[in-house]
Amino acid sequence: EAQVTQNPRYLITVTGKKLTVTCSQNMNHEYMSWYRQDPGLGLRQIYYSMNVEVTDKGDVPEGYKVSRKEKRNFPLILESPSPNQTSLYFCASSLSRDRESRRGSYEQYFGPGTRLTVT
Amino acid sequence: LAKTTQPISMDSYEGQEVNITCSHNNIATNDYITWYQQFPSQGPRFIIQGYKTKVTNEVASLFIPADRKSSTLSLPRVSLSDTAVYYCLVGENSGGYQKVTFGTGTKLQVIP
Repeated sequence: EAQVTQNPRYLITVTGKKLTVTCSQNMNHEYMSWYRQDPGLGLRQIYYSMNVEVTDKGDVPEGYKVSRKEKRNFPLILESPSPNQTSLYFCASSLSRDRESRRGSYEQYFGPGTRLTVT
Repeated sequence: LAKTTQPISMDSYEGQEVNITCSHNNIATNDYITWYQQFPSQGPRFIIQGYKTKVTNEVASLFIPADRKSSTLSLPRVSLSDTAVYYCLVGENSGGYQKVTFGTGTKLQVIP
C-alpha cells in the first residue's frame, strides 16, 4: 500500500530537549516536504527536498533542520524546541514533475500527522 | 512570494453544486494548480490539479482561466460527507525549485 508514515504521532516534550520526527514514504517519490498547521494560519511549508541531498527552506524554517540521505526518508529535527513550535506537523511526498507533461506536480501524499506539544 | 486568497467559509445545502475560488499571483509559470480536502485531525487529501482551462475527475472539476491568476474548484451535488476544509496549492515562481504555498483554506459546511 502506498503510504507516508510519521513517527511519533503524538509527542509532549520540554523546552530545549532535542527531538526528531521521522517521515518515510514507499512510493519512490523525489519530492518530500514538511508542513506545520496552526489554527488560523493554515498549512505552512517548513522545508522541502527535491531529491537526495537537495533540501531548501520553506516559509517557516527557523528552529528546524532536515536531512535527505535516502530517498525514502526525510526526518525533521528540532535541535532546541520552544513552546512556539507546538503544532500539528505533516510530512508529504510526491513526484516532482508530471511524467507526461513534465510540469511541476503537487499531487502530494500526506502522512497522518504528528501532534507536538512543547512545554 | 506567491500569495493566495480563498473565502474563509461557505455553507451549502445537500445536492447543490459548490464553487470555491482561489486567487493567486506570482505562481510558477510551468506548474499545476492543485486542490486538497482536509478533515479534522487528518492530513490533506489530493482532489484535483490542472494547468489551464477545465479538468474533471470523478469527484470534482477545476476551472483555470488563461491568465492563471485564479482557479475555481467545483463540487457537484455535495453531500454531508463533503463538509471539510478545502485548500488550493500553488508553486512559487522561484526559479524552478518547488517551494509551495497553501491557500488560506475554505471551510465548507454542508447542510441537510
